[in-house]
Amino acid sequence: GESVGLHLPTLSVQEGDNSIINCAYSNSASDYFIWYKQESGKGPQFIIDIRSNMDKRQGQRVTVLLNKTVKHLSLQIAATQPGDSAVYFCASRGGSARQLTFGSGTQLTVLP
Amino acid sequence: NAGVTQTPKFQVLKTGQSMTLQCAQDMNHNSMYWYRQDPGMGLRLIYYSASEGTTDKGEVPNGYNVSRLNKREFSLRLESAAPSQTSVYFCASSVRGPGGETQYFGPGTRLLVL
Repeated sequence: GESVGLHLPTLSVQEGDNSIINCAYSNSASDYFIWYKQESGKGPQFIIDIRSNMDKRQGQRVTVLLNKTVKHLSLQIAATQPGDSAVYFCASRGGSARQLTFGSGTQLTVLP
Repeated sequence: NAGVTQTPKFQVLKTGQSMTLQCAQDMNHNSMYWYRQDPGMGLRLIYYSASEGTTDKGEVPNGYNVSRLNKREFSLRLESAAPSQTSVYFCASSVRGPGGETQYFGPGTRLLVL
């Protein structure tokens, strides 16, 4: 079956620095990927998505990079702010399957 | 728009009790989902409904039933709660966008089964 994993369960960065959160997926047929942010006590919040026909997509202060060769996905957050402290999940959809498979999450802590 | 709403926010049950978790969305989305989230694990799909009138099992359906009451509402029922069902439950709905089908989540229901 498909699995989606994250390289590090926790990440601490200084305020103002850039953050990079990594994710690996196992299903080479995955064609759609999403990053979610989950603050304590809240539901996951959509950040950015990317299709498999793209390598890079940018949003406001966030960039997602997709490397299909090694089945790796990353989320870059520019100028990290205290409000960015949260758990970040990646999710992938495998080919024609409607369901998303979620990673276990990386806890991002922004240090003052 | 309220987005996806869930009730109750918190619930404590005794083993063997039953309850229904309610979910509603006001975004006119066709698809709706129920997930559970346990510490250190990713979200796991319990059931989903691709459209009004249809439901399908997800990864962990045992011990649960669902009803897609109408396009807006999708409920999750625990007929006989067990301690293993202690979890945080999230409902989501989705819309197909240019990239794919993006899911939007509710705030969650925290369930403790004693």
